[in-house]
Amino acid sequence: DIQMTQSPSSLSASVGDRVTITCRASQGISNSLAWYRQKPGKAPKLLLYAASRLESGVPSRFSGSGSGTDYTLTISSLQPEDFATYYCQQYYSTPDTFGGGTKVEIK
Amino acid sequence: EVQLVQSGAEVKKPGESLRISCKGSGYSFTSYWISWVRQMPGKGLEWMGRIDPSDSYTNYSPSFQGHVTISADKSISTAYLQWSSLKASDTAIYYCARQEGSGWYGDYWGQGTLVTVSS
Repeated sequence: DIQMTQSPSSLSASVGDRVTITCRASQGISNSLAWYRQKPGKAPKLLLYAASRLESGVPSRFSGSGSGTDYTLTISSLQPEDFATYYCQQYYSTPDTFGGGTKVEIK
Repeated sequence: EVQLVQSGAEVKKPGESLRISCKGSGYSFTSYWISWVRQMPGKGLEWMGRIDPSDSYTNYSPSFQGHVTISADKSISTAYLQWSSLKASDTAIYYCARQEGSGWYGDYWGQGTLVTVSS
């Protein structure tokens, strides 16, 4: 199985801050990476797929980049609704695997 | 509007059987796969397996193979996740998610079903 390591596991930030979350795969995944946001008590919501493609309806403050084994999610200006937990998921090979999550908290 | 609506919360005893459901609407149910994802209390997301509703072909994570069964009834646009003998460690929220065959990411998710297994 491909292991996905997310960092940091948590961070504190303020509204308007720029936030970056990283995800490292145990082997190359050819940009087969998705990012999700999960608010407490809610289902995950797809933000980006194919590492950098923004899902329809997702605000442009979210962006993704990376290649090979290393990928990043950037939130350019953190909004109140962005305080949540973020997960990466590789779908390069089955079984799909998720990172451990990054909890973004209010500073 | 695409929707995946899951069945309600369940409370079961160890050893009991259970089937939960996920009904799709607003799209062609047989054109997308349905995956099931587990989230144990306070923990992260784990992919369990998926099904192609057009022919009921399934693919399981080795971690869940043999412990659960995924099925679908395309006539009523519904996918299922079932257990024959629940354990306390099956206590979790279970999500279904729609996935396109060109990329196994979940673009629409159900609201989740909380399964509690306790004696």
